[in-house]
Amino acid sequence: ETVLTQSPATLSLSPGERATLSCRASQTINNYLAWYQQKPGQVPRLLIYDASKRATGVPARFSGSGSGTDFTLTISSLEPEDFAVYYCQQRTYWPPTCTFGQGTKLEI
Amino acid sequence: EVQLVESGGGLVQPGRSLRLSCVGSGFTFEDHGMQWVRQAPGKGLQWVSGISWNSGIIGYGDSVKGRFTVSRDNAKNSLYLQMDSLRAEDTALYYCAKDISVRATNYYAMDVWGQGTTVTVSS
Repeated sequence: ETVLTQSPATLSLSPGERATLSCRASQTINNYLAWYQQKPGQVPRLLIYDASKRATGVPARFSGSGSGTDFTLTISSLEPEDFAVYYCQQRTYWPPTCTFGQGTKLEI
Repeated sequence: EVQLVESGGGLVQPGRSLRLSCVGSGFTFEDHGMQWVRQAPGKGLQWVSGISWNSGIIGYGDSVKGRFTVSRDNAKNSLYLQMDSLRAEDTALYYCAKDISVRATNYYAMDVWGQGTTVTVSS
């Protein structure tokens, strides 16, 4: 099973600052990497898929990068509504499984 | 409006069974892979199971393999999760989610999520 390790576990920043979240895979995952945002009491929201493609309606301040085993979610200038928990997710072609990272909490 | 609505959750004793359902609307259900994801109270997301648009590809997380069975009925726009031999550690909010891709050979990123149905396993 491919394990995703997110870092840091908690990131404390202020509005207007740049946030950089990391997701490392235990083996190469061919860019099948997605990022989700989850706010308290809400369902997860897809932000990025295929490592760098923004989902519909996602603001341009969110960007994804990386390949192979190391991936990054960058929020260029934090807005108050961006403070949430972020998860990365990968898929394995065979066996056809997915896994999530443990999450990074982005707090003020 | 694209929507997913889960049902079937509840309180169940360890070792018993439960069947979750998810009905999709506002999109062509038969064109999309579907997945189940769960979240225990105060914990992170855990992938449970996925099924491709035509049921040709099915997968399970290690913690549920051999106990849970996913299926779908495209004529009814419905996804199911049969959960057998339930354990206390299966207690969670169960989400169904729609895959972003159309008629893909696998399932992956999820762009629409239901509100979830709660499963509590306790004696």
